[in-house]
Amino acid sequence: NAGVTQTPKFQVLKTGQSMTLQCAQDMNHEYMSWYRQDPGMGLRLIHYSVGAGITDQGEVPNGYNVSRSTTEDFPLRLLSAAPSQTSVYFCASRDEDRDNEQYFGPGTRLTVT
Amino acid sequence: GESVGLHLPTLSVQEGDNSIINCAYSNSASDYFIWYKQESGKGPQFIIDIRSNMDKRQGQRVTVLLNKTVKHLSLQIAATQPGDSAVYFCAENPHRNKFYFGSGTKLNVKP
Repeated sequence: NAGVTQTPKFQVLKTGQSMTLQCAQDMNHEYMSWYRQDPGMGLRLIHYSVGAGITDQGEVPNGYNVSRSTTEDFPLRLLSAAPSQTSVYFCASRDEDRDNEQYFGPGTRLTVT
Repeated sequence: GESVGLHLPTLSVQEGDNSIINCAYSNSASDYFIWYKQESGKGPQFIIDIRSNMDKRQGQRVTVLLNKTVKHLSLQIAATQPGDSAVYFCAENPHRNKFYFGSGTKLNVKP
């Protein structure tokens, strides 16, 4: 199993540009989530999904959209990037039937200039 | 958001010693508390969790203690090794599918 994969690893955007961060998992997990991690800080939940067609907001959802059309994929869209969205983004998945262990991807480092 | 914080941002220990990493939480309604380890350039990795109705849980070389009276959580690592050097985060889930992370403690293991 590849686990949780994320693309791209690095991305530089100009203010106002849009892009999609990709996340995929091959563990057949229903639960998937997106976090951002700013320097010296913990992770903050952006959006999460408990299954295909079901998404909900986390702590910091503004400026981000998500959709979940398949169990495997959970893309995160930035419609109009802002410098405040410069961060490292992590995707995670979890088997809801097996406690709280979330499996994290390697992250995408995004810089908005 | 919820407040999950750490007392010490950096902890340095000698290889072979025991490490204790502390965390304060604010939401008494959280059902679980979780510890993660994050090595440089990688995503967090689950270490251990504890349910709110427990005081102590042990894993391999790790022990988590929960003190609900003072809303305090700690992670004890026995016989700390160089491979334990990382940033450690505590997290809580006051809602079933929402997890809130603290700001992290960096553990440096000196050889």
